[in-house]
Amino acid sequence: DTEVTQTPKHLVMGMTNKKSLKCEQHMGHRAMYWYKQKAKKPPELMFVYSYEKLSINESVPSRFSPECPNSSLLNLHLHALQPEDSALYLCASSQGWAGNEQFFGPGTRLTVL
Amino acid sequence: DQQVKQNSPSLSVQEGRISILNCDYTNSMFDYFLWYKKYPAEGPTFLISISSIKDKNEDGRFTVFLNKSAKHLSLHIVPSQPGDSAVYFCAAKTQGGSEKLVFGKGTKLTVNP
Repeated sequence: DTEVTQTPKHLVMGMTNKKSLKCEQHMGHRAMYWYKQKAKKPPELMFVYSYEKLSINESVPSRFSPECPNSSLLNLHLHALQPEDSALYLCASSQGWAGNEQFFGPGTRLTVL
Repeated sequence: DQQVKQNSPSLSVQEGRISILNCDYTNSMFDYFLWYKKYPAEGPTFLISISSIKDKNEDGRFTVFLNKSAKHLSLHIVPSQPGDSAVYFCAAKTQGGSEKLVFGKGTKLTVNP
């Protein structure tokens, strides 16, 4: 299995809703990432988990809350988002310190109304 | 401060000809470079990478060249095919340090039949 999977594919939510994005990989990778990508822009790093511990938080607002329940799963909990948070949210994984290539999932297209 | 620059937002080539995508970087600590290809509404797909100890890496139709003194790398696609039409992102990182990838803004490649 050489894939990173993400669910849901699309999500529409109101500013008062609470929702979660899910990411899964079964490649034995020990580092997992959340990125945000706006149209015609490069991916922007949000969070990095290394060996299930949060190692990088790129000053992301607290309305985004990451969680890494185990080495294969990564969640992004969303609460009280703003319309400007609408974007493609990408999950990626890599071998961690031993690996340099990050492999991306297909993304979740989020729309905040 | 943009540490990875792709100065050409778009490139158009004929099928069968060579596509050359360029990338410049400013951070001399970067020592590992990657190219990703992205179709609309999909996650980036890893294409090819190069470590700073090399000046060339080849994989099928794709070759990446690294000029460390000029802080410049390029991706050559030969021969170009219509299916290569996508946005190409250059990315850089420091091996053995932070897991953070720094992306350029991307170049949209169009290969015309």
